[in-house]
Amino acid sequence: GDSVTQMEGPVTLSEEAFLTINCTYTATGYPSLFWYVQYPGEGLQLLLKATKADDKGSNKGFEATYRKETTSFHLEKGSVQVSDSAVYFCALRRGSTLGRLYFGRGTQLTVWP
Amino acid sequence: KAGVTQTPRYLIKTRGQQVTLSCSPISGHRSVSWYQQTPGQGLQFLFEYFSETQRNKGNFPGRFSGRQFSNSRSEMNVSTLELGDSALYLCASSLAKVRDQETQYFGPGTRLLVL
Repeated sequence: GDSVTQMEGPVTLSEEAFLTINCTYTATGYPSLFWYVQYPGEGLQLLLKATKADDKGSNKGFEATYRKETTSFHLEKGSVQVSDSAVYFCALRRGSTLGRLYFGRGTQLTVWP
Repeated sequence: KAGVTQTPRYLIKTRGQQVTLSCSPISGHRSVSWYQQTPGQGLQFLFEYFSETQRNKGNFPGRFSGRQFSNSRSEMNVSTLELGDSALYLCASSLAKVRDQETQYFGPGTRLLVL
């Protein structure tokens, strides 16, 4: 079945460090891939997405490239800030207009000044 | 444009009671999905509605039910509450017209505590 595997957290970094959160997926067909972020006490916010192979999603300095050959969608940021501290979720949705999101377990990121 | 709204934001119930949660999607969005988030199980899909019809259902017992109204607003109901139902319940909406509009936008959630 469809599934998403994320690297285990927590991840602790100093401000301005480079961030990578690994995400791999298993899915039939050609899913769309997403990164969501959840700040304490809040719901999920869409961070970025990619809908086909080799697409690069980007937002607020975060980037992720849809790699079909490695079934991966790793999240990267060149220089993290304290305000990036949150939980990050990788998710996929099958190639249709309807359908559930399959989420990874989430990765807690803490950035220290 | 207003985002997804959920009411109430916080709720305390006791075992055996029932609860109804409400979700208003982004204006124009026709699909509404519900998810349960717990520390142990993470984010789990409950169900998805489109045009007042349930299109997908997750692996939850029949105590969990939902519906969607003609204005796309949705409610979910949990009957005979159990301690394990304590969770953050998230609602998400999407346009669901064409592939590039399938992004789901989430509300802030309803935090349910069952005592």
